[in-house]
Amino acid sequence: GEDVEQSLFLSVREGDSSVINCTYTDSSSTYLYWYKQEPGAGLQLLTYIFSNMDMKQDQRLTVLLNKKDKHLSLRIADTQTGDSAIYFCAEKGSNTDKLIFGTGTRLQVFP
Amino acid sequence: GAVVSQHPSRVICKSGTSVKIECRSLDFQATTMFWYRQFPKKSLMLMATSNEGSKATYEQGVEKDKFLINHASLTLSTLTVTSAHPEDSSFYICSAMRPGGIGELFFGEGSRLTVL
Repeated sequence: GEDVEQSLFLSVREGDSSVINCTYTDSSSTYLYWYKQEPGAGLQLLTYIFSNMDMKQDQRLTVLLNKKDKHLSLRIADTQTGDSAIYFCAEKGSNTDKLIFGTGTRLQVFP
Repeated sequence: GAVVSQHPSRVICKSGTSVKIECRSLDFQATTMFWYRQFPKKSLMLMATSNEGSKATYEQGVEKDKFLINHASLTLSTLTVTSAHPEDSSFYICSAMRPGGIGELFFGEGSRLTVL
């Protein structure tokens, strides 16, 4: 199957770290992505990781990939109110240009 | 700035009319574009893959006669919702894949369609 699952909602205090989790099913995924969607807008690519990597850090963002468990996570350090949005993980298979998106996690940051 | 532009951002139409949504890649030539539909508080549902110069590839369950896709040039794909009904009301988002990249998609701003 091509199901990509995420928890629906996450609430954190400003300044704390946020961890958004994603599980996928396609073991042939080549790239995995994290996108951010603000209200009423399209999706913005935040970061990505190649399937042969375990970790990637980009400023406040850290992506961890556990290929054995097909688990992907996004950690946002020092979460700010501007980080409030819906976050989607997405996977790309080896023989397709299509991305399969997760169900999305709504992150709410409170002061 | 935006590399993919979508227009209109909002449209309200009467039931039975047709609505066209445009998706333009501004920064690169896109042989492949994708059209998604997003329901409230739901994930993105891939509707079809738009291929420049050839017919679009529709996902299972998407009516090709209902949702007409035309990709006439390397920078423009259009989605026409024909004979729209209230159940077609949704947020439609297009995306384009940059050639030679890592497969990431660049998304338009989305178009909110409301059918009365």
